Formats: sequence, C-alpha cells, structure tokens
Amino acid sequence: QVQLVQSGAEMKKPGASVKVSCKASGYTFTHYGVSWVRQAPGQGLEWMGWISPNTGDTDFAQHLKGRVTMTTDPSANTAYMELRSLRPDDTAVYYCARDVSIDLGAFDIWGQGTMITVSS
Amino acid sequence: DIQMTQSPSSLSASVGDRVTITCRASQSISGHLNWYQQKPGKAPNLLIYMTSNLQSGVPSRFSGSGSGTDFTLTISSLQREDFATYYCQHMYGRTFGQGTKLETK
Repeated sequence: QVQLVQSGAEMKKPGASVKVSCKASGYTFTHYGVSWVRQAPGQGLEWMGWISPNTGDTDFAQHLKGRVTMTTDPSANTAYMELRSLRPDDTAVYYCARDVSIDLGAFDIWGQGTMITVSS
Repeated sequence: DIQMTQSPSSLSASVGDRVTITCRASQSISGHLNWYQQKPGKAPNLLIYMTSNLQSGVPSRFSGSGSGTDFTLTISSLQREDFATYYCQHMYGRTFGQGTKLETK
C-alpha cells in the first residue's frame, strides 16, 4: 500500500544537526512532492518546506531558510530533511507527507512521525 | 505571508451534534483551502481539499464551504470518532491554522 516510513527518534544537543529520512512505497516517488511538517509538544502544525523528487526544486518556510536542507534519492525512493544548529525549541515530532501538487499543496499520505529532542 | 486563523480554539460538543469550525485567511485565498483531522499521537489525516472536496474514504458527514477569506468545516452529526483536533491549511503557502480541539461535552 501507499506509505511513508520515517527513521527513528533521536536526541541531540543544542548546536548539533539532525537528518531524518522518509522512505516512500506503493507509488511513483517522482510524481509527487514531499513536504515536511513539524509539531512541537502540545502545539499545532508547522510547515517547514517542500521538495520535488523529480526536479530537486525546494521551497522553505522563511524562518527556517539557512538552517534546513531537503534532499531526495529517487533511486531509493527516499526523502531527507536535515536541520542544523539545533535549539531546544526545535524539539518536535517531524513528519514527512506526500504533497499532491507543485503549486497547491495537499498532504494526502503522512509518515508516522519522528520525535527529535534537543536538550543539553 | 498569509495568516490562517481558526475559531474557536476549542469546542465542546456531544455525539449527534452539528458542529461548525471556521477558518479565516488574512487575505483572499480563493478556494485554496484544506482541512485535516488529527488524533492524539497520530499523524494528521486529509479530510477536505480545495474547500469542499471530500478526500477518498472520508465520511459524508464532513463538508466544507467558503471562498475568499472565510471558510467552514461542518460535521453534520458528530460521531465518537470525530473528537480530535482540526486544522485548516492554505494550499498555496501550505501554512496551517492554529487548530481547533473538538472535545466531548
């Protein structure tokens, strides 16, 4: 079936980097975008950015530009999100989601989420 | 950036109630709005896209309407499994509203 499976939870110290993977199956990976969304404990959803596995084009939330990188490996049907210079307020569940359109986002398939904890 | 504001932030209702959640955009977004449902500890689930289109598998008691800056999500007859948090999303900017928590009365 169509699914996205993410890498496991991680604990990081402030200033470190983290890279989360998101492996797609059950559909043609390059036919859809991948968006990343995070959710701090008890808080709402925050869109982080988007990547096209077909072209490599990206778009990021303004406040994360310069700290986040999104890449894909189409041969492995996998997307990656790397966040650098981690701060305690980056502690959150990070989700990848299949994004059905380049221009108008709608996230119809979601990964299970990856908990990233940033603490000294 | 376009801001999305939902109201109310929380709502108490009973099984069988008709429930309406509102989402307002800071400027016109035409009909480019989605709605998601999220249950505790789970990933969100797309309910409605482009204002009023029901995602496959979503019960028909869910409906969406609106245009421009004002949008609504309606649950015609609340079921036990509908108690959750609901988010609207601007499709172009992909930004979310702050969420509406629907709780049992």
